[in-house]
Order: sequence, then C-alpha cells, then structure tokens
Amino acid sequence: EDQVTQSPEALRLQEGESSSLNCSYTVSGLRGLFWYRQDPGKGPEFLFTLYSAGEEKEKERLKATLTKKESFLHITAPKPEDSATYLCAVQAGGAQKLVFGQGTRLTINP
Amino acid sequence: EAGVAQSPRYKIIEKRQSVAFWCNPISGHATLYWYQQILGQGPKLLIQFQNNGVVDDSQLPKDRFSAERLKGVDSTLKIQPAKLEDSAVYLCASSLSSPETQYFGPGTRLLVL
Repeated sequence: EDQVTQSPEALRLQEGESSSLNCSYTVSGLRGLFWYRQDPGKGPEFLFTLYSAGEEKEKERLKATLTKKESFLHITAPKPEDSATYLCAVQAGGAQKLVFGQGTRLTINP
Repeated sequence: EAGVAQSPRYKIIEKRQSVAFWCNPISGHATLYWYQQILGQGPKLLIQFQNNGVVDDSQLPKDRFSAERLKGVDSTLKIQPAKLEDSAVYLCASSLSSPETQYFGPGTRLLVL
C-alpha cells in the first residue's frame, strides 16, 4: 500500500528563519510527487510536481527536491504570508489517484 | 481562467439526513475527482471520473455515498443517510486528463450533528 508521511506536523518559525519540510514516501513505481499549499478554509493550491530523483523546482522562496525515498520543501527567508499547511502527495504505479500525507502546518511569526 | 466551483460552501445537517454537493470543473478538464478531508488529515480520494465514466471508486462507502457526472461536466456527490463521522470537507478537483496536475475547488464543509 502506498504511504506518505510528512514531518514535522507543525513548525513555527520567525520571519526570515529558513527551514525544510520533509515528505517520506513508500510507493510502487513513483509517477509523480506533488506539493500543495492549503490556507485555512480553502482548497489545496498546486505548487510543484517532481518526477524523478535529483529533480528540483523553485518558486519564489520555495524549493522542492526529490530523492528515491523522500522530498524536501525548503523555505528560504520566509514571510508571514507563507503561513499555511503544506501537503505532499504521490501518484504511483498504475493508479491515477493522489495519496496525500497529513500535512505540515507552518506558522511564520513577524 | 475560472477555477473549480463548488456549492454549497457550508452545510449543517442532522445524522440520518441526506445532503448533496455540486462541482463544476475547469472548462475542458476531462477528469474529475471527489476527495474527503477530515480535520487534521490530508485529502482522501472518494471517486474519480474520466468524462462520464467512473475510473476509481474503491474508497467510496457505496452503502451511503453516491456520485454522478452527467454529460462529462458537472458532478454531484450525495450522502444518504449521513453519519457523524461524515463531518469533513468535501473537495472537488479536476485535471485535463490523468495523470495531469489536479486543481482543487474551495471545498464544502459538512457538519453532521
């Protein structure tokens, strides 16, 4: 069974304090790993897709990386508006569905 | 480009009542998904449509949940009768095809009392 585990569950940072969120996965044949951002009361917003180990993608203060067992979402010099829950999901094997982790709730204090 | 639309945004019902949710996907998207997101958890797929047909409904509690997608566009998800444990956010997503990137609507928040 495909599994996705995110850590930590919650992270509180000061503005400008860089850190990383982890997404560990166990799947049969990874087709893609997805990162989403979810604000309170809203649906998930697409950030990145990574397809193979070694791949990296960047958007503003966020950079996502992928290995054969895990993905990291690095946040550099975060601002309060980066506060949200960050969700990781995998698409694997012959299945077309996304399997999500439980998310990391990130809070950036000014 | 308009995003995925869902209604209602909030619904409060009593257990054993029925409820229906509506979703209008992004124009031209052939694949439509319904997810259930319980507080503090990631979304879990309930059902996936490719045009009019069901691709995956393995995690849909078929004794109480049903869904349809008429004419390959709009979709409705129904719960009858509702249980307390159905309290959750019901998210609709769509993609051009599968396995393309999925785009989510704002969700419907259901509280069953």
